[in-house]
Amino acid sequence: SSELTQGPAVSVALGQTVKMTCQGDSLRSSYATWYQQKPGQAPVVVMYGKNKRPSGIPDRFSGSSSGNTASLTISGAQAEDEADYYCNSRDSSNDHVVFGGGTKVTIL
Amino acid sequence: QLRLQESGPGLVKPSETLSLTCTVSGDSIRSTSYYWGWIRQPPGKGLEWIGNIYYSGFTYYNSSLKSRITISVDTSKNQFSLNLSSVTAADTALYYCARPSYYYDSSGPGVVFDIWGQGTMVTVSS
Repeated sequence: SSELTQGPAVSVALGQTVKMTCQGDSLRSSYATWYQQKPGQAPVVVMYGKNKRPSGIPDRFSGSSSGNTASLTISGAQAEDEADYYCNSRDSSNDHVVFGGGTKVTIL
Repeated sequence: QLRLQESGPGLVKPSETLSLTCTVSGDSIRSTSYYWGWIRQPPGKGLEWIGNIYYSGFTYYNSSLKSRITISVDTSKNQFSLNLSSVTAADTALYYCARPSYYYDSSGPGVVFDIWGQGTMVTVSS
């Protein structure tokens, strides 16, 4: 199955830690990539591969995976981290791409 | 610096064909390391992958849209294009072009859309 499931929303107090997950069969054989999307902007990569952060992404963002589940953790969440977060992966059988439905993160 | 820019009509009538072009600047679309792709986002909803194309013309299409999609590349203009036929209101969305990088890491494969256009809104309405 080429589907990725994300929780719809999560809230976290300023400075606290929040973890969001992405589940799907494709994650058993492919890494997840995580994107942050703020209103009116295109998505930006925040995590890919084995816990790799692109240049400019703060180290409070971290990633992990186990079985069919990938996780993105924000440790010490800041106000600017309020956004929608999407995961995606590739289907290793046909190299097709799939996105999760997104998780809305609210900073309290 | 690589940049992608979408262009095309903002309004398309139901049953007609949606046509968009993505112009690549700052690098050649012939780059052997990368594919080029389309992603859409209906208002207030999530991202949906449409398809990817290699400069040679090899394509991957979303199975749910495959019967209506054609993605093509024009290397002379450094552009790639999307045609989506028989559109309905459900095809109303913000359409992004983006660069997908397929990679193999130490423990497995992945894909990352690392460069995105700003997106262009297409509304399907009579």
